[in-house]
Amino acid sequence: DAGVTQSPTHLIKTRGQHVTLRCSPISGHKSVSWYQQVLGQGPQFIFQYYEKEERGRGNFPDRFSARQFPNYSSELNVNALLLGDSALYLCASSLEPLNSPLHFGNGTRLTVT
Amino acid sequence: GQQLNQSPQSMFIQEGEDVSMNCTSSSIFNTWLWYKQDPGEGPVLLIALYKAGELTSNGRLTAQFGITRKDSFLNISASIPSDVGIYFCAGQDNAGNMLTFGGGTRLMVKP
Repeated sequence: DAGVTQSPTHLIKTRGQHVTLRCSPISGHKSVSWYQQVLGQGPQFIFQYYEKEERGRGNFPDRFSARQFPNYSSELNVNALLLGDSALYLCASSLEPLNSPLHFGNGTRLTVT
Repeated sequence: GQQLNQSPQSMFIQEGEDVSMNCTSSSIFNTWLWYKQDPGEGPVLLIALYKAGELTSNGRLTAQFGITRKDSFLNISASIPSDVGIYFCAGQDNAGNMLTFGGGTRLMVKP
């Protein structure tokens, strides 16, 4: 079975641009979460979606937005990119939002120049 | 906000040695998870713990959910070179919306 898949794997953008990252969850998983991992640190929670509804949001500015589609795939959008947005963006899926372990994809490495 | 303190930050051990790492929190978690991350990849789930006091094994790995629900440890027995990587603890609260991660333990194994 395919795991969580993310695209693209790498991306280079310049300051002020916007970016869209995509995620397909494990088949049967209805909950998708997004995390940002800065080099040398643990992942930081950005969003959780379940059944197309936002279930939680981390301490990130409004430049960050996301959505979940009827097939449970998800997009993360970041507007007005800053240098500090350079990071590995991880998508994770789980069967349910509670008491169900998260399984991560390999991430999208975003570099903002 | 919640913070997880993970220690040690790094370990350099000889192949065959046992390893122990732990996480402590200022807040209670209902679930503790341990992940391993290799370079260029996402974290891979090793062990999930759902009850205070629970002790769970996965091959050479053993993890425990602390009685106070504010801590957890991970032991690796008889380490091998492929154990090299960064190990993260993560706690999930009752709302279940997010994982809070520790800062990671970088494990290096000398053959």
